[in-house]
Amino acid sequence: SQQGEEDPQALSIQEGENATMNCSYKTSINNLQWYRQNSGRGLVHLILIRSNEREKHSGRLRVTLDTSKKSSSLLITASRAADTASYFCATGPGRRALTFGSGTRLQVQP
Amino acid sequence: DAGVIQSPRHEVTEMGQEVTLRCKPISGHNSLFWYRQTMMRGLELLIYFNNNVPIDDSGMPEDRFSAKMPNASFSTLKIQPSEPRDSAVYFCAIPPPPGNTGELFFGEGSRLTVL
Repeated sequence: SQQGEEDPQALSIQEGENATMNCSYKTSINNLQWYRQNSGRGLVHLILIRSNEREKHSGRLRVTLDTSKKSSSLLITASRAADTASYFCATGPGRRALTFGSGTRLQVQP
Repeated sequence: DAGVIQSPRHEVTEMGQEVTLRCKPISGHNSLFWYRQTMMRGLELLIYFNNNVPIDDSGMPEDRFSAKMPNASFSTLKIQPSEPRDSAVYFCAIPPPPGNTGELFFGEGSRLTVL
């Protein structure tokens, strides 16, 4: 069963706009991660936020974590056509296997 | 790119045939994960190895599936006999070098189609 569920399932925006994706999970976590998957490719790790962190930045990415609500959000600012991909959240109990959500398909129109 | 080579990238086979998928981390790793991705079920963990030993194989669908990791540089996932519902993309993933906090590096996947 999937631990994380992303929302929305699909998102279409114009280049330059911000994209926000949300993730909800069910059980306690050690960390939460976001991955990106281009069509036909493997997943690529974007950013990890620990359970004791509330916000983290990496370039145009901003991730928030609310453990009381068991939710996280990924914000991509000033989106580009090259950001078109599926984005997954994944939760991990430390160094063991990750559980992935169902993903958000992001389409950035040039 | 931590370097995970999966083969074959694409395989089309007929129901009942044996399928062997291979994963080769460029740098030897004692931990390795096999995931399966389908439209209906998303990404599912099949099995993971630590120190080349299977730690959790609860995600392996049934006895038709088996996985091995004979050394730190090679793993196989075998399906025998294959069925159309096994059609999916199978990913191998490894953790980065010591000091990591849990992220995984994925191969490009093996897309399996069982007719």
